[in-house]
Amino acid sequence: NAGVTQTPKFQVLKTGQSMTLQCAQDMNHNSMYWYRQDPGMGLRLIYYSASEGTTDKGEVPNGYNVSRLNKREFSLRLESAAPSQTSVYFCASRTNTGTYYGYTFGSGTRLTVV
Amino acid sequence: QKEVEQNSGPLSVPEGAIASLNCTYSDRVSQSFFWYRQYSGKSPELIMSIYSNGDKEDGRFTAQLNKASQYVSLLIRDSQPSDSATYLCAPEATYGNNRLAFGKGNQVVVIP
Repeated sequence: NAGVTQTPKFQVLKTGQSMTLQCAQDMNHNSMYWYRQDPGMGLRLIYYSASEGTTDKGEVPNGYNVSRLNKREFSLRLESAAPSQTSVYFCASRTNTGTYYGYTFGSGTRLTVV
Repeated sequence: QKEVEQNSGPLSVPEGAIASLNCTYSDRVSQSFFWYRQYSGKSPELIMSIYSNGDKEDGRFTAQLNKASQYVSLLIRDSQPSDSATYLCAPEATYGNNRLAFGKGNQVVVIP
């Protein structure tokens, strides 16, 4: 049981390049989330998916797109990376039914855009 | 008004003392509240959740919730050097779909 797995762990991009951050969970959770964390800013929600087939914008969606490929996987895409997207990205998941114990986070992707 | 406010500045406490962390939130419909611990360079780790007014104790941690005052706190008793981390307050927003809103966090430094 790996929980929430994110790939890659580190990435350096040049301005204008594109990339996809991958996230997969093996806990059969319905809801999945993408957050970014910048120094002094806390975690801010980019996009989330309440269930397979649905996605919604969070607090800071500009410059990003997401895909909920299936119940396990939720990817985040940067179409044209900008230096302002340099950040640590965390994926999280949560179950919608029954008793739950909070949101589970992946280990993060540290992205630098130069 | 910011959605989730936590005390500003790092909190330094001597080993064995009590660390007290406070958090206020603006979303009156929040029903569930979480405290996460985050070590430098690591991902957030859930340490406490609280859903009802009052106190909830788990080991050396006690969470306190007052929904009328929109206030949640975390006490760390018998602080240890391993408690040195950033603590994140996270009410769960429930309008629309459930999601966490985070405060900026409080850095705790336990001095041996």
